[in-house]
Amino acid sequence: GAGVSQSPSNKVTEKGKDVELRCDPISGHTALYWYRQSLGQGLEFLIYFQGNSAPDKSGLPSDRFSAERTGGSVSTLTIQRTQQEDSAVYLCASSLEVAGHNEKLFFGSGTQLSVL
Amino acid sequence: QKEVEQDPGPLSVPEGAIVSLNCTYSNSAFQYFMWYRQYSRKGPELLMYTYSSGNKEDGRFTAQVDKSSKYISLFIRDSQPSDSATYLCAMTPLNTGNQFYFGTGTSLTVIP
Repeated sequence: GAGVSQSPSNKVTEKGKDVELRCDPISGHTALYWYRQSLGQGLEFLIYFQGNSAPDKSGLPSDRFSAERTGGSVSTLTIQRTQQEDSAVYLCASSLEVAGHNEKLFFGSGTQLSVL
Repeated sequence: QKEVEQDPGPLSVPEGAIVSLNCTYSNSAFQYFMWYRQYSRKGPELLMYTYSSGNKEDGRFTAQVDKSSKYISLFIRDSQPSDSATYLCAMTPLNTGNQFYFGTGTSLTVIP
């Protein structure tokens, strides 16, 4: 596609429910990143995929958070048993690998998650 | 100490002013520097990027990097109300599996 696509754009859920957030990266981009952005805070790194594997999951805040990527393309971030502190904007970005490293992150518009 | 420090502002300037946005960093391994612009309820949009120390100009925007001082700047000339947004600096060491490190963003308002 022309850009990084995320769905849904907004998600309101009740505490304790599970949610799935989807990211469709730019075609051909091998790297995919998930970030979380809370009001007044910077971008918090969650997880990084190179192809379908996740060499860096160090930012996932707890075992309630998981992510997968299939076919080297679409990724899903799953939050189980949501808590109010999970409320934030979840941003996905993709990047093209050049000479063994990733540069120029391109972001989607994000999913605004609200946990009531 | 955070990897990247950025003054959150808010910054408010009159239309036509020159704006200076700045970040400092602590990791001398950072090699690639970026500025993103983020409008309300949108994702960050890549504005400028550079590898090297010195200046890079693109229209009204100039990115400046001083690796010896670990300091980067974004200058906006002839600022417009449409420049009102949050500006985030970002940087990476460009090693394999590289992570990106972001500033917290500076909120800018350009008053007509």
